[in-house]
Amino acid sequence: SQTIHQWPATLVQPVGSPLSLECTVEGTSNPNLYWYRQAAGRGLQLLFYSVGIGQISSEVPQNLSASRPQDRQFILSSKKLLLSDSGFYLCAGTGAGLWTDTQYFGPGTRLTVL
Amino acid sequence: AQTVTQSQPEMSVQEAETVTLSCTYDTSENNYYLFWYKQPPSRQMILVIRQEAYKQQNATENRFSVNFQKAAKSFSLKISDSQLGDTAMYFCAFSKASGTYKYIFGTGTRLKVLA
Repeated sequence: SQTIHQWPATLVQPVGSPLSLECTVEGTSNPNLYWYRQAAGRGLQLLFYSVGIGQISSEVPQNLSASRPQDRQFILSSKKLLLSDSGFYLCAGTGAGLWTDTQYFGPGTRLTVL
Repeated sequence: AQTVTQSQPEMSVQEAETVTLSCTYDTSENNYYLFWYKQPPSRQMILVIRQEAYKQQNATENRFSVNFQKAAKSFSLKISDSQLGDTAMYFCAFSKASGTYKYIFGTGTRLKVLA
């Protein structure tokens, strides 16, 4: 059963508009959380990860930011979207499955910036 | 730094046949994990199989099994009795066995199962 939730599933936004993508985790405490972006037909690029509330590490300098206001909530934001922010965004968390040290993924958000 | 290499961008296999996807990696770590993930057209990443480097025994999960060669730093995935639903992108991944559990992903292999 799915224990990593993401919303929205699909989003179309104009250039320059703000962004907020949410990820929540069920069934575990103190997970490590991760945001990835994937361009069409490409691999996964790690954007941010968090090992606890308020602890955010950025992997790639960019137009995005992340926050973790609660233990099982991870938010990806932007103040002004760029065309290059289009892509498929995946949230992952450890402990949301059989092994506590393995990443389990949400269903993803498809973002199109026009 | 760790690297993960998948040298087969695309593969195809007939339904009910067996196919092997290759993955090699480079690391100086002694304790680590290796994974295979499947990404079907829905694009959700699904864990297929997990291998602990300190375990000699190859991991298996139903029709999926791995050939883990630690000295050669090789981690191939064998899919037996291929089914149409196995059509997907397959990613190999590496993580250290402690700390942040960040992954290093390979570039993926697109597998198509033919009827």
